[in-house]
Order: sequence, then structure tokens, then C-alpha cells
Amino acid sequence: SSELTQDPAVSVALGQTVRITCQGDSLRNFYASWYQQKPGQAPTLVIYGHNYRPSGIPDRFSGSTSGDAASLTITGAQAEDEADYYCYSRDSSADRGIFGGGTRLSVL
Amino acid sequence: QVQLQESGPGLVKPSGTLSLTCAVSGDSITSDKWWSWVRQPPGKGLEWIGEIFHTGSTNYNPSLKSRVTISVDKSKNKFSLNLNSVTAADTAVYYCVSGIWGGSDWYFMDIWGKGTTVAVSS
Repeated sequence: SSELTQDPAVSVALGQTVRITCQGDSLRNFYASWYQQKPGQAPTLVIYGHNYRPSGIPDRFSGSTSGDAASLTITGAQAEDEADYYCYSRDSSADRGIFGGGTRLSVL
Repeated sequence: QVQLQESGPGLVKPSGTLSLTCAVSGDSITSDKWWSWVRQPPGKGLEWIGEIFHTGSTNYNPSLKSRVTISVDKSKNKFSLNLNSVTAADTAVYYCVSGIWGGSDWYFMDIWGKGTTVAVSS
């Protein structure tokens, strides 16, 4: 399969830990990258490769992979983390990009 | 600081061709990056359209491949998207994006343009 599946919505209490998951066969071959998108803004990269964070991304964001699933974990969620999160990977032949359907994170 | 800036018509007629350009600043389009287009219909998720390397090598989303052409202009440090035979379903925010292969098994999109809204309507 060349699809990535995400839960449409997840909520977390302020200061608690939340895990956003992404599942797909391609994740057995390629690491996912994760993008945060706030309303009216372009997506921004938050996690890539072997759990790397771009400059400026808080260390409460982390990533992991197991089998055909990737996860984005926010440890100690803040109000400003409320956003849509998308995973991205490549299909099995590496010549096509694939986005997950996105997860809307609510911080309560 | 690398920046990407989309430009092009905000309105395209049905059956016409959508043409967008992305100007790259702060980096050379001949660097070791892939230059991509991603779109987002109103209220929906992200869709990968395709990508190009400065050598001219391209990859396209199979669902759009028959209608899409991505090209690069090294002299102007720009790359472009052409999508023909458009319908209302092609109405979306279109982003140009740079991507990197960090290793053989990880790829990521590091820089995104702000996006440009294109509506398909008569």
C-alpha cells in the first residue's frame, strides 16, 4: 500500500504528553518526517530522519518508528502546539511522496 | 536564509492551464535538493504533486501525472508548475517546497513557500 493513515483528531490536556501516529507500509523502508500547520500558515518541519529537530523546534517534540508505524510525541504539550500535524514519507520505490491525512491536535 | 516565493494567476478557467512559478532565494537551484509542489484544497489535507532535480529529473503523483509538468530554469533560479485541463477540484493553496535526501532512507521538506491560492472558476 502507498498510503499513510493518521487519526483525524487527538486532544491532550495542557502540560501532558500526546502521541500522534502514522501508519503505512512505506514506513518499513523510509523514515517519516512531520509537519506542523497552524491556521492560515504554511506547514513547517518539526521532525525528520532519525528523530532530528530543525533549529528552533522545542525539544518537547520527538519522533520514533516501529515497524510500519511512526509516531510524533509532544512531551508537555503547550497551547501553541495546537495545530494540524502531517506525516510524510516516500512510496516503496522512493519516487513518490506521500502525506498522511493529518491529525488535528487540540490542547485543552 | 533560504526563501521560496510562489507567483501566478489566482484564477484559472475550467479546462485551462494552471501555471505557477517558484522563485528561490538564498540557495542555488542547482544545489543537492529536490524542488517540489504540494497543494491543499480548502479544508483538506496536503497532497504531493511532484518534484524536480536541477538535472531535469522529475517524479509526479500518479493521480496527476497525465496533467502535470514541472520544469526548472537555472538561469533565473526558479522552477515552475503547469497543470492542464483543470477543474474545480484543482482549487487549492499551492506550495513550493525544497526537499532533501538526508540518507538513503530519509527524505524531508525543509523550506516551504507561503503558498498561493488558485481558484478554478469561470
